[in-house]
Amino acid sequence: QSVLTQPPSASGTPGQRVTISCSGSRSNIGSSPVNWYQRLPGTAPKLLVYTNNQRPSGVPDRFSGSKSGTSASLAISGLQSDDEADYFCAAWDDSLTGWVFGGGTKLTVL
Amino acid sequence: QVQLVQSGGEVKKPGASVKVSCKASGYTVTSNGISWVRQAPGQGLEWMGWISADNDNTNYAQKFQGRVTMTTETYTNTAYMELRSLRSDDTAVYYCAREEATVFHGLDVWGQGTTVTVSS
Repeated sequence: QSVLTQPPSASGTPGQRVTISCSGSRSNIGSSPVNWYQRLPGTAPKLLVYTNNQRPSGVPDRFSGSKSGTSASLAISGLQSDDEADYFCAAWDDSLTGWVFGGGTKLTVL
Repeated sequence: QVQLVQSGGEVKKPGASVKVSCKASGYTVTSNGISWVRQAPGQGLEWMGWISADNDNTNYAQKFQGRVTMTTETYTNTAYMELRSLRSDDTAVYYCAREEATVFHGLDVWGQGTTVTVSS
């Protein structure tokens, strides 16, 4: 139902690397940068990666983003229990002239 | 520290209106645009619209045109989103988010969310 498609869930053990995908179309990811957010339960979403692969100050380099064509991905290496959260992608859509989002991926650290 | 603090949860009857506030601190609300985004239970995030930094321009998602009004109030450094003619499917968590447009294009700071429940 969301314009951008993400897997609903992902999991990994401490120390592992996990990747979360985000698929869109030419009018959004294909023509605009992708931003990634982390949302802990009951808290405000936090910007994790902007412009496909840039990290705001304070975000550990364990988090990295990439984009190719109409898809993007977020990689989290050295998984920690604190990383357990919802992650969602966002991009501007030129056709809709508005922001579109992924449905969110719930990350579980086993 | 830049922060957006939203008003508390609301329970409304169908047909009523709700006005959610979003108070900015650490920056002036008129220096950046504000977007409003909502998430209904079990659904993804949905962009509702945007108000420009100077309060002169708005861009509402087609779905909400005619039912939503977004404003900013300089002297209280607060943004508002009013949604009218509420229906049960407007039950959602509503977020405000600051629009960054210089370093990058995106929503860089979000409020904590306001739960709006529409029920008879």
